[in-house]
Amino acid sequence: DVKVTQSSRYLVKRTGEKVFLECVQDMDHENMFWYRQDPGLGLRLIYFSYDVKMKEKGDIPEGYSVSREKKERFSLILESASTNQTSMYLCASSFSRRGGTEAFFGQGTRLTVV
Amino acid sequence: KQEVTQIPAALSVPEGENLVLNCSFTDSAIYNLQWFRQDPGKGLTSLLLIQSSQREQTSGRLNASLDKSSGRSTLYIAASQPGDSATYLCALVYNQGGKLIFGQGTELSVKP
Repeated sequence: DVKVTQSSRYLVKRTGEKVFLECVQDMDHENMFWYRQDPGLGLRLIYFSYDVKMKEKGDIPEGYSVSREKKERFSLILESASTNQTSMYLCASSFSRRGGTEAFFGQGTRLTVV
Repeated sequence: KQEVTQIPAALSVPEGENLVLNCSFTDSAIYNLQWFRQDPGKGLTSLLLIQSSQREQTSGRLNASLDKSSGRSTLYIAASQPGDSATYLCALVYNQGGKLIFGQGTELSVKP
């Protein structure tokens, strides 16, 4: 079974803190993604990566950065957490094949910034 | 810009009913389409992936169809059960890079 594991289910951080959200997949997938999910706004893409050390901005990259030093790990970084970054964060991965492949998601991290 | 719409936003049915969830998209360019299930407070579970060259996929009581020309996909759930209660999301999957664009979801409640 494909496994995408996010390091925390719940996090509470203070405004201004630097926050790291970690995601690890065990299927040798090339593509990895970070989404946030908010009521009424659905899932929005923050950043994605299609190879080690490669990254692409999604629809809402402001206030975030990412790191992909190893193929299996994709980190989302909140440089200076703010209350409007309180959200559910979801990591996903997939193979990179012509024609597209199935994406698998982690269990989510509920981040609260106070 | 590609938009994905799911109708209805919420649905409540008695146990045993067959039901159809709808997903429409604005651009009929070639995309794959993936259906997910999400339980409250949890991540997304993949249900079915329909590749752009296919018209439908089946898994157990679930059947998903894709009509690119009309920009529509449907998820058919046969003989619904209370355990099917969840939010169902459809997503277009880009061929290059695998990026997904999501609909807002349909919240399904199956009453015993």
